[in-house]
Amino acid sequence: AAGVIQSPRHLIKEKRETATLKCYPIPRHDTVYWYQQGPGQDPQFLISFYEKMQSDKGSIPDRFSAQQFSDYHSELNMSSLELGDSALYFCASSNRLAAYNEQFFGPGTRLTVL
Amino acid sequence: SQQGEEDPQALSIQEGENATMNCSYKTSINNLQWYRQNSGRGLVHLILIRSNEREKHSGRLRVTLDTSKKSSSLLITASRAADTASYFCATDTMKYGNKLVFGAGTILRVKS
Repeated sequence: AAGVIQSPRHLIKEKRETATLKCYPIPRHDTVYWYQQGPGQDPQFLISFYEKMQSDKGSIPDRFSAQQFSDYHSELNMSSLELGDSALYFCASSNRLAAYNEQFFGPGTRLTVL
Repeated sequence: SQQGEEDPQALSIQEGENATMNCSYKTSINNLQWYRQNSGRGLVHLILIRSNEREKHSGRLRVTLDTSKKSSSLLITASRAADTASYFCATDTMKYGNKLVFGAGTILRVKS
């Protein structure tokens, strides 16, 4: 079965650079979520989109922005990168028409800021 | 963690033994889900239990939910070395499309 696709899988950036992470949800899933997982931490919710509109916002820095496109893929844009942004970034998707809020996660993008 | 504690933080058992992990949460929930994460890799969805369910099974997994105590447990029976991973519980508070709030996770090591 098709899963959530994230690209790139690994990314190395310098401080103050920008990064763009991409997420392709499972086909027919209309909701995308972004989570950040620091080393040894549990995943923390950043932001979510439903039908291309932002549906919820968590602890996402102002330096980050995201959007969902007409084909339902989503991009997380990160600017003025800081060392503390080094983390695993997960995208998850779900189908709002499904009975329950089962969220399926992608493999993650490991961002390293030097 | 935003959610609460997972207990124990780390668990080491022999292959073939059962492993039980507990999770507590703070707010009323709609669903509780368990995920597995192999070292630094993706989160694999294991099982979802609804707030009006008390127990659910899937293969070697058994999940219980006690909403009065705001707690859940995950039992893995007849553990295998391949079960070695971190296990997280995650809750959501709205019926559709809401964020997941994760527990701190339990690191399980199954020795062969």
